[in-house]
Amino acid sequence: AQTVTQSQPEMSVQEAETVTLSCTYDTSESNYYLFWYKQPPSRQMILVIRQEAYKQQNATENRFSVNFQKAAKSFSLKISDSQLGDTAMYFCARETSGSRLTFGEGTQLTVNP
Amino acid sequence: KAGVTQTPRYLIKTRGQQVTLSCSPISGHRSVSWYQQTPGQGLQFLFEYFSETQRNKGNFPGRFSGRQFSNSRSEMNVSTLELGDSALYLCASSQDSTYEQYFGPGTRLTVT
Repeated sequence: AQTVTQSQPEMSVQEAETVTLSCTYDTSESNYYLFWYKQPPSRQMILVIRQEAYKQQNATENRFSVNFQKAAKSFSLKISDSQLGDTAMYFCARETSGSRLTFGEGTQLTVNP
Repeated sequence: KAGVTQTPRYLIKTRGQQVTLSCSPISGHRSVSWYQQTPGQGLQFLFEYFSETQRNKGNFPGRFSGRQFSNSRSEMNVSTLELGDSALYLCASSQDSTYEQYFGPGTRLTVT
């Protein structure tokens, strides 16, 4: 089975500090897409960032960046200058079969004031 | 552009009944996917529709079905509801299979 693993069920960080969420995945394909989604208490899933596997450059979106290690099948999310509004469940996902997202178990991030 | 909308937002049904959930994708998006989210199983893929055709299907029993209309709106149906079907059902739309999926707010289904 092609799986996505998030080994940190919970993390906390102080406001304005940096935090990194880990994700590893399994695949036999050479090209695929990886995503990080956040799900705040409202339960609305929000796309945070996307990485295309064939691109060497790590994706960046404002305070969010990834460290994509293709050979190691690792895809971590770094949040800089953490804000209270970043408190949410974060899901790592990879696209399979062209349209299907396989999600990890999630990491509950709490940003403390 | 308006986001993905799902109706209803909350539903309470009794075991054995059936239910229909609706999803309207972002304008211009032709792919609609459905996911089930539960505390025990996490997020699981149900199926995906593209241009009115089911293109991909997850490992769910035949009680779970769906369809897509010519305007890309999609419905999913669950027949003979079981207690274990209680979940948050999320719909997502995308322009293409290789593009990002954008999620709706979900329908919270409670089966009693």
